[in-house]
Amino acid sequence: VLTQSPATLSLSPGERVTLSCRASQNVGGHLAWYQQKPDQPPRLLIYDVSKRASGTPARFSGSGSGTDFTLTISSLEPEDFGVYYCQQRNDWPPRITFGPGTKLDLK
Amino acid sequence: EVQLLQSGAEARKPGTSVRISCKVSGVALTDVYIHWLRQAPGGAPEWLAFVDPEDGETVYAPNFQASVSMTTDTSADTAYLDLTKITSDDTAVYYCATVPRTQYFYDHWGQGTLVSVSS
Repeated sequence: VLTQSPATLSLSPGERVTLSCRASQNVGGHLAWYQQKPDQPPRLLIYDVSKRASGTPARFSGSGSGTDFTLTISSLEPEDFGVYYCQQRNDWPPRITFGPGTKLDLK
Repeated sequence: EVQLLQSGAEARKPGTSVRISCKVSGVALTDVYIHWLRQAPGGAPEWLAFVDPEDGETVYAPNFQASVSMTTDTSADTAYLDLTKITSDDTAVYYCATVPRTQYFYDHWGQGTLVSVSS
């Protein structure tokens, strides 16, 4: 099980934001982050905790280990609004799990 | 460029079935795993199942083992998801997505297919 906090937040462009994802058990390095905008599928931002996917701006960074993980946006841009999900995989039984998401609104 | 093109929106009555297709281009189907997920309004993505197109092996999430079925047609580079005995709780956007072999994250997604179930 993955939990995310906060559930929602409203911030202004230029601000720094930190999103949290906590797992109920050690996920090793198999933790990914996605951004989703209305009427679009999720978009992969970060995988293996801290590796940026192709096309992910450098202002996005991931960190953490074990059960506690963080996605940081160093300086918010207007296009960063949306919902952010963390995702992990259980090896056995095979199972993919997403967190409930954090909704980021831009003021 | 990898693209996943899903079939269009579907409206069904409770107790019926529906098939959704996902045509993959830009990558050989046998080079990836194909996953199906769904997202109810206002909810997080929920994993349903995945298939290994190389040998047809499928793995289903426990909650969906009895109600969904995945198949692939490698000659057509297309994956299919069949939903049976659907209820209003199955109303959601259904996505196909690819996972690179040896990985666990979704690098490409279909555009989504809305399935609406109502009497």
